[in-house]
Amino acid sequence: QSVLTQPPSVSAAPGQRVTVSCTGSSSNIGAGYDVHWYQQLPGTAPKLLIYGNKNRPSGVPDRFSGSKSGTSASLAISGLQAEDEADYYCQSFDTRLSGWVFGGGTKLTVL
Amino acid sequence: EVQLLESGGGLVQPGGSLRLSCTGSGFTFSNYAMNWVRQAPGKGLEWVSTISASGGRTYYADSVKGRFTVSRDNSKNTLYVQVNSLRADDTAVYYCAKGDLYGSGSSWGQGTLVTVSS
Repeated sequence: QSVLTQPPSVSAAPGQRVTVSCTGSSSNIGAGYDVHWYQQLPGTAPKLLIYGNKNRPSGVPDRFSGSKSGTSASLAISGLQAEDEADYYCQSFDTRLSGWVFGGGTKLTVL
Repeated sequence: EVQLLESGGGLVQPGGSLRLSCTGSGFTFSNYAMNWVRQAPGKGLEWVSTISASGGRTYYADSVKGRFTVSRDNSKNTLYVQVNSLRADDTAVYYCAKGDLYGSGSSWGQGTLVTVSS
């Protein structure tokens, strides 16, 4: 059971927009800690996609965007491409656990 | 370019030990907190441990507390984790990740596989 809750899967057709939710609690996201998102392509290491709730590292397309409100956060991917098919994880810090916490991951399928 | 290279994984019997290493390059290693994160086969990411930039502060997930010890040698740009009393549920790919000011893992290594089996 992950501390942060994500839907196990989402799907959409190429060119469409999809969102992935991440729900936490008052000891992590709700306590004001930033949310970060990672993309993990099959057989590879995770890659930072969004940091500090809404910021994109250099090289990440602006099709990817993040937001945070209250105890939840969202990752939005617009203009879906086949290469976006991957697992997506949210991450924050938990003051009760004194460490990182992750969502269980969301598998994105591009139909 | 930031690079992180893990090593030290392998097949070990239940109750056994290993020392995993992660060597960093392309950044000033001693300025950054470092993290270990693991991923069991077919499962999600699980935070294992964090060590501060100086090595003076360490933090552990409850699942490994008392069995794993994280350390670093900034003169060698290397992060370590000593994993003892290994159990079958410790079987995973172990990644090291460079921390940043936002609290994220800005760069990750390729991982090293630890398999605990008799």
